[in-house]
Amino acid sequence: AQRVTQPEKLLSVFKGAPVELKCNYSYSGSPELFWYVQYSRQRLQLLLRHISRESIKGFTADLNKGETSFHLKKPFAQEEDSAMYYCALTDSGGSNYKLTFGKGTLLTVNP
Amino acid sequence: DTGVSQDPRHKITKRGQNVTFRCDPISEHNRLYWYRQTLGQGPEFLTYFQNEAQLEKSRLLSDRFSAERPKGSFSTLEIQRTEQGDSAMYLCASSIILNTIYFGEGSWLTVV
Repeated sequence: AQRVTQPEKLLSVFKGAPVELKCNYSYSGSPELFWYVQYSRQRLQLLLRHISRESIKGFTADLNKGETSFHLKKPFAQEEDSAMYYCALTDSGGSNYKLTFGKGTLLTVNP
Repeated sequence: DTGVSQDPRHKITKRGQNVTFRCDPISEHNRLYWYRQTLGQGPEFLTYFQNEAQLEKSRLLSDRFSAERPKGSFSTLEIQRTEQGDSAMYLCASSIILNTIYFGEGSWLTVV
């Protein structure tokens, strides 16, 4: 069974500090990994996906198959980064239809 | 706003009543998904459609739940004989095959 674990429910950092949101997964096939973000009073939206290898809003995430991790990082956090972050996976060999989400990490960036 | 829209946004119902939620996907999106989210949890997959065909249902979708997408456009999710455990946010999402999934704002259900 596939599973996504986000060990931190809450993460608080100061503006300008580096931030890392952890995500570990368990999946027997070849997964595709995503980070979704939900800002206050907004809908869930895609932040980034590992296959695109792009940096969005200064965030990056590297898929580490050996450690089965997909941690989200940003070198200098901004107050507007405060949001709920969800890591998710799907079967890359499938048809990208069923996302399995972690429980989420609430990031607060303090001024 | 041309994103995924859901209606109603909030619903309070008495236990045992039936409720129906509607989802209008982004136009031309042939995939439509339903997820459920409870407090402190991430969204959990319920079911998905490709055009009008319902291709998979999660074991979370008990016999009291039924989803339809009659013409491959909007979808409805009906819950019959609601129970308190059905209280949750019901999220709809849509996509074009193998592309980004876009979520709606969700429909909150409270069963009292």
